[in-house]
Amino acid sequence: GQSLEQPSEVTAVEGAIVQINCTYQTSGFYGLSWYQQHDGGAPTFLSYNALDGLEETGRFSSFLSRSDSYGYLLLQELQMKDSASYFCAVSGGYQKVTFGTGTKLQVIP
Amino acid sequence: GAVVSQHPSWVICKSGTSVKIECRSLDFQATTMFWYRQFPKQSLMLMATSNEGSKATHEQGVEKDKFLINHASLTLSTLTVTSAHPEDSSFYICSARTLAGGPNEQFFGPGTRLTVL
Repeated sequence: GQSLEQPSEVTAVEGAIVQINCTYQTSGFYGLSWYQQHDGGAPTFLSYNALDGLEETGRFSSFLSRSDSYGYLLLQELQMKDSASYFCAVSGGYQKVTFGTGTKLQVIP
Repeated sequence: GAVVSQHPSWVICKSGTSVKIECRSLDFQATTMFWYRQFPKQSLMLMATSNEGSKATHEQGVEKDKFLINHASLTLSTLTVTSAHPEDSSFYICSARTLAGGPNEQFFGPGTRLTVL
């Protein structure tokens, strides 16, 4: 089976940097994705890591360590609009994607 | 590009009735579509994987006769919740993959909020 763990809530100040961790246990692994979801909205794709290392996309970066079954999403220069839930997701076999428990990020002034 | 729509965006129905939710890929062909359910403040739970022209694959614990899925074309998949009950009230979200997209990139519809009275 698949299980992914994330912190349930994180609070950070506008302009700061925040890191959201994700640890996973899976029976099959092709890559780790990150999604953002605002309240009442649909998830939007942020990033995907198939190999170890850091991927940077603007203010967002994502890191993966396959040997540690661990990844994180790094958000820099936080803005109020970044307040949302963030989900890591593992792509396993048969095209299946399993989502993590989600981290609710609150950005405060 | 890669826009996915869902209809209706919200629906309220009486217990025992059936509800159909449509998921459409507007500007691309989606060979695979996924259906998720999300309860308040919880994660997305995959219900089924839908491939065009073949039977859907339901996840363990998801009754295929209660949650009927039809993927009749490369741009349309439907989820029918049969004999809905209050415990079926949830946010239902579909997603689609494109052949041109990344290996794990899914595009999500805006979701359908179902309330069963």
